[in-house]
Formats: sequence, structure tokens, C-alpha cells
Amino acid sequence: SQQGEEDPQALSIQEGENATMNCSYKTSINNLQWYRQNSGRGLVHLILIRSNEREKHSGRLRVTLDTSKKSSSLLITASRAADTASYFCATDKAGSYQLTFGKGTKLSVIP
Amino acid sequence: GAGVSQTPSNKVTEKGKYVELRCDPISGHTALYWYRQSLGQGPEFLIYFQGTGAADDSGLPNDRFFAVRPEGSVSTLKIQRTERGDSAVYLCASSLIAGGMDTQYFGPGTRLTVL
Repeated sequence: SQQGEEDPQALSIQEGENATMNCSYKTSINNLQWYRQNSGRGLVHLILIRSNEREKHSGRLRVTLDTSKKSSSLLITASRAADTASYFCATDKAGSYQLTFGKGTKLSVIP
Repeated sequence: GAGVSQTPSNKVTEKGKYVELRCDPISGHTALYWYRQSLGQGPEFLIYFQGTGAADDSGLPNDRFFAVRPEGSVSTLKIQRTERGDSAVYLCASSLIAGGMDTQYFGPGTRLTVL
């Protein structure tokens, strides 16, 4: 079963604009990760944020985590056409090694 | 190899047939995971290996699905009596150690189509 829900399901922006995607989840987590997927195949790990962290940066990526609201957001600044992909959040629980993914946000960056 | 590799990249089979999907993890990674992704959905966990043993197979949908990792490296996911509903992309991932703190690196997946 899916743990998280990404919002929006699809997002279309112009190159250079910022893109914000949200993820909500249902149960307590250890960590939350964001992955990118091109063309429905392999996933690329972007960033991991621990449950005791509130914000994390990596290059043009900024992730926030609000455990009280069970939600996270991924911000991509100064988007590029190459950022076009599906983005998934994935959570893991204490004592479990499996990742539970949401349904993803499909981002289209128009040159 | 630099990353996780999976073979074949595409597999088309007929309903009722047996298929094997192979995963080569990153060298030295002790943990290996299988996920299944249906169209328009996120990946769903199937099974996790720590070394040679299946530490968690709670995601396998039924007893037609089985996976092995006999030498603690390469893993094979086996599906018996395939059904059309088994059509999906099967993703393999590996991590250096087990647990959510360690990044899971995914392979490109095997797209299975059951006719």
C-alpha cells in the first residue's frame, strides 16, 4: 500500500521558475527521502531528511519536513528542462528496511 | 560495475509461463531490495535480503513469487504461472548496509509484460 501522497500529481512550469512539490504520509517515520525517476525506469536518490531535521539543502534542492503535520516539501529552484521527471517521496519506519513510496509528482519544465 | 544492473531490460511472456528476473547489486552492498512499480504508481516493496537470507518478504503478493540470493550478491526474482496483473516494472535496489539511513541505489528495472 502507498504511504504517501504527492501533491500536485502533475506540475508544468517554465524554465527558470521554481517548482514545489508536497508529500504527506500517514504513520510515524524514521527518515524521508526524495527520488527522481525519468521515463518510468530507475530512480535516482536526491536527498534524505531525518525525522529530527526540519530543513535540508542540496544544490538547487531544498527539502522541509514537518512531522507534526506528517508532510514534506521539495523545492527545486531555477528549474531546467533536464529537471523534467517524476518525483517521489519515500519513507521508512523504525525497525523496517523497506521504503514506502507515494504516487509521485510529474514535473514538466518547458524550455 | 558502477551501479545496480538488471537483466533483461524488457521481458514479454505469455500468461501461465515462468520468468526469472536478475539483479546485480553494487559490489560490496550487503542489502538488496526488490520493488514493483505499476503504471502511474510509486514503487511497492516486495522483499529485502541481508546477505543471503530474505530478512523481510512481507511484500510478496502471493506464493507464485519467490526470490533468492544464494551467494549474497546477485539476486533472482522468480515468478511462476504469470498472470496479466503481474505486468509492471520490477526494480532492484541495493545499499551498503541495511536500514533507512543508508541510501538505496536503484537499477534501471525490468519491464515485464504478460500477454
